Amino acid sequence: DAGITQSPRYKITETGRQVTLMCHQTWSHSYMFWYRQDLGHGLRLIYYSAAADITDKGEVPDGYVVSRSKTENFPLTLESATRSQTSVYFCASSTTGDRETQYFGPGTRLLVL
Amino acid sequence: GEDVEQSLFLSVREGDSSVINCTYTDSSSTYLYWYKQEPGAGLQLLTYIFSNMDMKQDQRLTVLLNKKDKHLSLRIADTQTGDSAIYFCAESITSNTGKLIFGQGTTLQVKP
Repeated sequence: DAGITQSPRYKITETGRQVTLMCHQTWSHSYMFWYRQDLGHGLRLIYYSAAADITDKGEVPDGYVVSRSKTENFPLTLESATRSQTSVYFCASSTTGDRETQYFGPGTRLLVL
Repeated sequence: GEDVEQSLFLSVREGDSSVINCTYTDSSSTYLYWYKQEPGAGLQLLTYIFSNMDMKQDQRLTVLLNKKDKHLSLRIADTQTGDSAIYFCAESITSNTGKLIFGQGTTLQVKP
């Protein structure tokens, strides 16, 4: 089915473990984004990618790693999860950068114990 | 630095108009957006306005932009219970990177 999907939708992990959140889009959009949503902060950009093999840091990149070997996938890895990374993570994509709609995935709810 | 501020909560009665306000700091913003988030879901783009416009109307939605005061508002006419959601204001700050700066979100509660 077309669209932007995220997996898993819910994840519980422990401090220190590595976690990878997946994002997949079927539109061949060039741009992809990872945000985290926390109460009182709205959405904050973690990383974004303008195309395959091109990534750049957003507002809150520390503790996260991304890769983009294929246009359609943009996984986000927490190399050593911390409690402060408990959040809802949203992936988004758009055809280009400015002036284009960003389409959001349904989100991944991550709890780090 | 860039910052987007919104009030956190608004309660209205069904059938009334809702006005959600937003202020931003970056005068180089090119586009300003309103997104809607329903419970348990991602964000859905409602509407956007280019920075050289003052107003944009789309069915029940009216966006007003005051560039001098860096103030953006979203008016929802004839508010329905289905409009209950969190509304996010966002600004696009740098051309061709697609980076958006979001406000904290305004929770709109519509009472029957």
